[in-house]
Amino acid sequence: NAGVMQNPRHLVRRRGQEARLRCSPMKGHSHVYWYRQLPEEGLKFMVYLQKENIIDESGMPKERFSAEFPKEGPSILRIQQVVRGDSAAYFCASSLQGVNTEAFFGQGTRLTVV
Amino acid sequence: DQQVKQNSPSLSVQEGRISILNCDYTNSMFDYFLWYKKYPAEGPTFLISISSIKDKNEDGRFTVFLNKSAKHLSLHIVPSQPGDSAVYFCAASVETSGSRLTFGEGTQLTVNP
Repeated sequence: NAGVMQNPRHLVRRRGQEARLRCSPMKGHSHVYWYRQLPEEGLKFMVYLQKENIIDESGMPKERFSAEFPKEGPSILRIQQVVRGDSAAYFCASSLQGVNTEAFFGQGTRLTVV
Repeated sequence: DQQVKQNSPSLSVQEGRISILNCDYTNSMFDYFLWYKKYPAEGPTFLISISSIKDKNEDGRFTVFLNKSAKHLSLHIVPSQPGDSAVYFCAASVETSGSRLTFGEGTQLTVNP
């Protein structure tokens, strides 16, 4: 029973390029969350999705960032026209239920913008 | 506005002794609390959780205590082992927000042999 799978583990992009981060939740989990960890900081919530629905995107920057969780396939976090400040570790988590249950995290994608 | 705070960035204890990690929160709507452990270059690993209807939950060497009136929770690890050395994050959620978590800044625990 594989855990939460994220790829790539490391991603290097030049300023202005697009970054696509993928997350496959644990088997049977239909709730997906994306978090960002900037250097020397804790994890900050970005977006909460269920299949084909964005439930809460209050933590996501209004511009350049988007997320989806299609009916088939992984959840995608997309960052357009990346800037140096986007360099961070991006973690995906999934949970079985949407209410008061533990979320399980992937190993993260470390994005470096050069 | 930091709703979950871990005021100690680091803690060092001797192997075999007790480690106590503390966490304070300000949002009285939080009703579920969790502790995660994180090693460098890895994702957080769930350790233990507690619902707001309880004041204690125990799982092996790990015990979480919740004091709702003080808006404070703590994680006790006893006995501490060198393998416990990691960053520990406190997190909280509100039932109506699903399992969206608000994290503290983390505490680096070092257990010395």
